[in-house]
Amino acid sequence: AQTVTQSQPEMSVQEAETVTLSCTYDTSESDYYLFWYKQPPSRQMILVIRQEAYKQQNATENRFSVNFQKAAKSFSLKISDSQLGDAAMYFCASLIGGISSGSARQLTFGSGTQLTVLP
Amino acid sequence: NAGVTQTPKFRILKIGQSMTLQCTQDMNHNYMYWYRQDPGMGLKLIYYSVGAGITDKGEVPNGYNVSRSTTEDFPLRLELAAPSQTSVYFCASSYRDRGTYGYTFGSGTRLTVV
Repeated sequence: AQTVTQSQPEMSVQEAETVTLSCTYDTSESDYYLFWYKQPPSRQMILVIRQEAYKQQNATENRFSVNFQKAAKSFSLKISDSQLGDAAMYFCASLIGGISSGSARQLTFGSGTQLTVLP
Repeated sequence: NAGVTQTPKFRILKIGQSMTLQCTQDMNHNYMYWYRQDPGMGLKLIYYSVGAGITDKGEVPNGYNVSRSTTEDFPLRLELAAPSQTSVYFCASSYRDRGTYGYTFGSGTRLTVV
């Protein structure tokens, strides 16, 4: 079974500062995708950023970027210029499986990191 | 474009009762999923479907059943509700890419079994 580990149950950051959320994953596959999802109090799961394992370049989406260390199986999320609206639970997730299998691959989630943004 | 719609948003069940959580998507997605999220935890896969008429078990299928008679609908059935099924349930879908661009999630159903 695939595992995704988020070792920081809670984090806080001052508004306008930068924060990094950690995530490690476990797989022996070479073809996989990694995601960060944001879950605000509304419960809606919102995709923040995705990374393809075969790409060495780290993904970026505006103020959000990742540090993808494939050998270490690490996938951290950096939020720059934090805003009050960034406060949420953040989930790291992996999508793993051979593309030739034709079967459905399922997202496996970590336990989440609750981010608080301090004004 | 509504995306993934789940009903109801909230429900309280008594132990032993049954109910069906509804999920429908209007994006013509082949793949659909049901997850549960326990307090302070990540999401765990209950069942998934790769197309109409095809379903398979996920990580935590016990106590649940699903069916997929159409591409749009993927209801989750709880038989003989138990307190351990108190959770938030999410339905999700993805296209033929099998989720490589992420899933689209519904807004969840909060279920309490008392």
